[in-house]
Amino acid sequence: AQSVTQPDIHITVSEGASLELRCNYSYGATPYLFWYVQSPGQGLQLLLKYFSGDTLVQGIKGFEAEFKRSQSSFNLRKPSVHWSDAAEYFCAVGAYPFEGGGADGLTFGKGTHLIIQP
Amino acid sequence: EAGVTQFPSHSVIEKGQTVTLRCDPISGHDNLYWYRRVMGKEIKFLLHFVKESKQDESGMPNNRFLAERTGGTYSTLKVQPAELEDSGVYFCASSHPLRDTEAFFGQGTRLTVV
Repeated sequence: AQSVTQPDIHITVSEGASLELRCNYSYGATPYLFWYVQSPGQGLQLLLKYFSGDTLVQGIKGFEAEFKRSQSSFNLRKPSVHWSDAAEYFCAVGAYPFEGGGADGLTFGKGTHLIIQP
Repeated sequence: EAGVTQFPSHSVIEKGQTVTLRCDPISGHDNLYWYRRVMGKEIKFLLHFVKESKQDESGMPNNRFLAERTGGTYSTLKVQPAELEDSGVYFCASSHPLRDTEAFFGQGTRLTVV
């Protein structure tokens, strides 16, 4: 069965400092990986996704993530965080969408709360 | 383009009552998904519609939950009767089957059963 582990429930980072959020997955097939962010009162917003190709993917808001197959990891990074990055971040894995049917349901991690210190 | 819309944003009901959550997907999105997050836990997949058909309902917790998508447009998720453990945030997402490779999520409905 597939699973996603986000080992850090809370992370506190100073504004301007670098950030890395960890994500490890277990998936039987080729994984399709996502990072979503949820700001207070908002829905889940896609930051970035990976299926194939370059293992370093760029997303919105200056985020990037690196897929490491040997470590079953897909860690999210940002070189310099802003106070507006304070939110909850979710890593998710799923199967690549099949033609005509779309994506299957995703398996999510428990999320990481990011707290930004001034 | 309007996003995925969910109604209501919050609902507080008593144990044993019935609640119906609604999701309006993005226009033209055949795929519609329901997810749930119980407090402190991960977001869990409930079911997936392709148009009006249930593609996968393996995540539905029990028969107190009924999802419908008549006409392949909006969807409802009914909980009857509600139990305390049903409290959580219910998310809806939609995607276009050919154009999109990710799903777009609504803001969620926070359900509290007291």
